[in-house]
Amino acid sequence: RKEVEQDPGPFNVPEGATVAFNCTYSNSASQSFFWYRQDCRKEPKLLMSVYSSGNEDGRFTAQLNRASQYISLLIRDSKLSDSATYLCVVSTTSGTYKYIFGTGTRLKVLA
Amino acid sequence: DAGVTQSPTHLIKTRGQQVTLRCSPKSGHDTVSWYQQALGQGPQFIFQYYEEEERQRGNFPDRFSGHQFPNYSSELNVNALLLGDSALYLCASSPPRTGTYYGYTFGSGTRLTVV
Repeated sequence: RKEVEQDPGPFNVPEGATVAFNCTYSNSASQSFFWYRQDCRKEPKLLMSVYSSGNEDGRFTAQLNRASQYISLLIRDSKLSDSATYLCVVSTTSGTYKYIFGTGTRLKVLA
Repeated sequence: DAGVTQSPTHLIKTRGQQVTLRCSPKSGHDTVSWYQQALGQGPQFIFQYYEEEERQRGNFPDRFSGHQFPNYSSELNVNALLLGDSALYLCASSPPRTGTYYGYTFGSGTRLTVV
């Protein structure tokens, strides 16, 4: 079983739609959680950290459910520019913070 | 403020050759991690360097080795290249540990093609 699992998609949604991605992780000792965005053939860029209380940044909302060991990302009012791969990242802090990436979920927002 | 810089951006090598990739971390960052990203996959952790030592290592063979210099820059060396080593190699730097909620800053990567 992979340490971090995501549905690879692709998710094809019309502009203005709301789309949600889920991610599950296997290590219950995981302590830090992130969503990264990666455009085609570019490096990953931090989209947002995910906190236990949930957090929101504009059209993006991230949630963490420690009991079920999953993380979600909700994108409201999708824009064409949101088309990218969204990577779920988990870190277990044991002297270092090594990040474990999921495979990524591809999103394509259609005009 | 320069972010993480990697060189070269692209590289083509022949099977069996050796390659060295370079990374300069973001100013103020002291930890460098290397990742391999094959096409259609998420980045896979290779190893992490801190205070010029390999602090943690992923599931990669000994053909993959690295180094960190006193100025925090780092090199990734791969010996005896295989076709399967073709990938985007990403360097990520992170600041001195003041908490656990800092994301990495990634360089734009080196795209290695082994033929």
